[in-house]
Amino acid sequence: DIVMTQSPDSLAVSLGERATINCKSSQSLLYNYDNKDYLAWYQQKPGQTPKLVMYWASTRESGVPDRFIGSGSGTDFTLTISSLQPEDVAVYYCQQYYSTPSFGQGTKVEIK
Amino acid sequence: QVQLQESGPGLVKPSETLSLTCTVSGGSMDFYYWSWIRQPPGKGLEWVGYFYSSEKFNFNPSLKSRVAISVDTSKKQFSLKLTSVTPADTAVYFCARVALPGTTGGWFDPWGQGTLVTVSS
Repeated sequence: DIVMTQSPDSLAVSLGERATINCKSSQSLLYNYDNKDYLAWYQQKPGQTPKLVMYWASTRESGVPDRFIGSGSGTDFTLTISSLQPEDVAVYYCQQYYSTPSFGQGTKVEIK
Repeated sequence: QVQLQESGPGLVKPSETLSLTCTVSGGSMDFYYWSWIRQPPGKGLEWVGYFYSSEKFNFNPSLKSRVAISVDTSKKQFSLKLTSVTPADTAVYFCARVALPGTTGGWFDPWGQGTLVTVSS
């Protein structure tokens, strides 16, 4: 099974500043057949369903603001919010779909 | 667009069986993998299992001995049964679809709104 580990568990960032969330997988998520990284990011606000933010590690879901940027390949990935807005306060999860699905433990993003 | 809705009892006694149903609307169940995912209160997301048809299933190894999924495509529903529950099974249970057709190699989208199941006597 692939283990996903996020860091940090929580972070507080000032409005307009950058928030960076890391996600590390226990094995590579890069599928050689199509040269794609099988990783997604979700945003979950309190009491709400997880909302897809990014897939294929760096493809932004339709409607997601371009301040959300996904990067990385192989085993190390990052979700960056380039200029934190109040509506971005949430818990963010990475998820691999290279094999039987697994999620990171989540990173809570708050306003400093 | 496809929408999912979970339903079932919100309270289950320890050692009994948790049963939930997911109803699909706005689209066909054909050609996609469908999944159950759960989230204990205040904790992270855990994949429970998925299926493609009445013959293709896969479950989280940590739950495999207690989980079953059944499908009724005529009603556009699929169901989860989790046996011998304990308070550790208390969670919001979500149903979701793998976004890409015909493969497990995809993210989950859409999701149902989730239903809280509490295991308590």
